[in-house]
Amino acid sequence: QVQLVQSGTEVRTPGASVKVSCKVSVYTFTNDGFSWVRQTPGQGPEWLGHISGHADNIDYEEKFQDRVTMTTDTSTGTAYMELRSLRSDDTAIYFCVRDSNFIWAYWGQGTLVTVSS
Amino acid sequence: QTVVTQEPSLTVSPGGTVTLTCASTTGPVTSGYHPHWIQRKPGQPPTTLIYSITNRHSWTPARFSGSLLGDKVALTLSGVQPEDEADYYCLLYYGGAWVFGGGTRLTVL
Repeated sequence: QVQLVQSGTEVRTPGASVKVSCKVSVYTFTNDGFSWVRQTPGQGPEWLGHISGHADNIDYEEKFQDRVTMTTDTSTGTAYMELRSLRSDDTAIYFCVRDSNFIWAYWGQGTLVTVSS
Repeated sequence: QTVVTQEPSLTVSPGGTVTLTCASTTGPVTSGYHPHWIQRKPGQPPTTLIYSITNRHSWTPARFSGSLLGDKVALTLSGVQPEDEADYYCLLYYGGAWVFGGGTRLTVL
């Protein structure tokens, strides 16, 4: 059973950065890709971007393009999402999803990021 | 701006059948949009139920089925169970970007 295990809750002040990790229990990075999604209470999910396992194909949602960086570490089977210049409206639960060949399958458990002064 | 539209809410009786739909402001939804259906229950991470219009994952109960319905894609729940009460989101691919629908809150009553 594939599991995506994300890093724990983060609290940041406005203007800071956060980096969330997502480790895959069983992976074949040759084929795997990862999307990152966030959701706030009462709102629908929002796609932030996608990265292929070897990071040779990266797409960011336009509204995040200047603030987000996605990376992977093939030696540990871990994907990362860094969001900079945080604002209060970035407070959300952030999810990684194994997204390969246009098929979304396994989701991480979610990481709560709170941005507050 | 691309918008993916879904019914905001639906109500179904236990054991009944309900169909949720998903449309795109860009035109008919086709296989090229790689349509997905995603379920979200409170306090749990989302679960992908359906991909590529009709395909279930191994964990998706058989009572969930996906289809094309005119210019839209649809998710039909047959023999609805109380535990199917959740938010359901459509997900479409637009050439390098994925867009979620606004979601349908399904109430089982």
